[in-house]
Amino acid sequence: KQEVTQIPAALSVPEGENLVLNCSFTDSAIYNLQWFRQDPGKGLTSLLLIQSSQREQTSGRLNASLDKSSGRSTLYIAASQPGDSATYLCAVRPSSGNTPLVFGKGTRLSVIA
Amino acid sequence: DAGVIQSPRHEVTEMGQEVTLRCKPISGHNSLFWYRQTMMRGLELLIYFNNNVPIDDSGMPEDRFSAKMPNASFSTLKIQPSEPRDSAVYFCASEFSGNTIYFGEGSWLTVV
Repeated sequence: KQEVTQIPAALSVPEGENLVLNCSFTDSAIYNLQWFRQDPGKGLTSLLLIQSSQREQTSGRLNASLDKSSGRSTLYIAASQPGDSATYLCAVRPSSGNTPLVFGKGTRLSVIA
Repeated sequence: DAGVIQSPRHEVTEMGQEVTLRCKPISGHNSLFWYRQTMMRGLELLIYFNNNVPIDDSGMPEDRFSAKMPNASFSTLKIQPSEPRDSAVYFCASEFSGNTIYFGEGSWLTVV
């Protein structure tokens, strides 16, 4: 059974700092991996999707990497801003493309001005 | 498109009452998911549908929970009778064939 772990559970950084959020998964046979953002009281918004054949994806100040063999992904946020404060969740889709995502519990990020 | 639409956004109900949560997926999406989120357990998949057909309901905690998808544009999640431990945020999400998934804003349920 696929399990997704995110460490740390919470992180507080000063504005402007570059930071890395970590995600690990137990079964390397995945179809894709996604990073989501969740603001308080809101649903999840997809940030980046990495297919199993890809090593990384970039969107603005965000960069996500994938190392399938080691079962790890990282989300890099450059020049963090208070508006980046949210919970970031990692999710993997098992080998078949029609199967549901398996989510980690997220990392709650606070960027202090 | 307006995105995935869920109702009600908030519900407070007494133990033993029936609760019905509703979801309208994005038009054209062929998969619909119901998740439950709590602080302790994170996001848990309850059930999902492909082309309106339930595929896997192994995440439904008990027989008190049931879900239907009578057509491509509507789904319900029902809890009967409700219990305090059912208090959580219930999310509906939809996608097309394993591509980017879209979540609704959630239904915040409190059972007292």
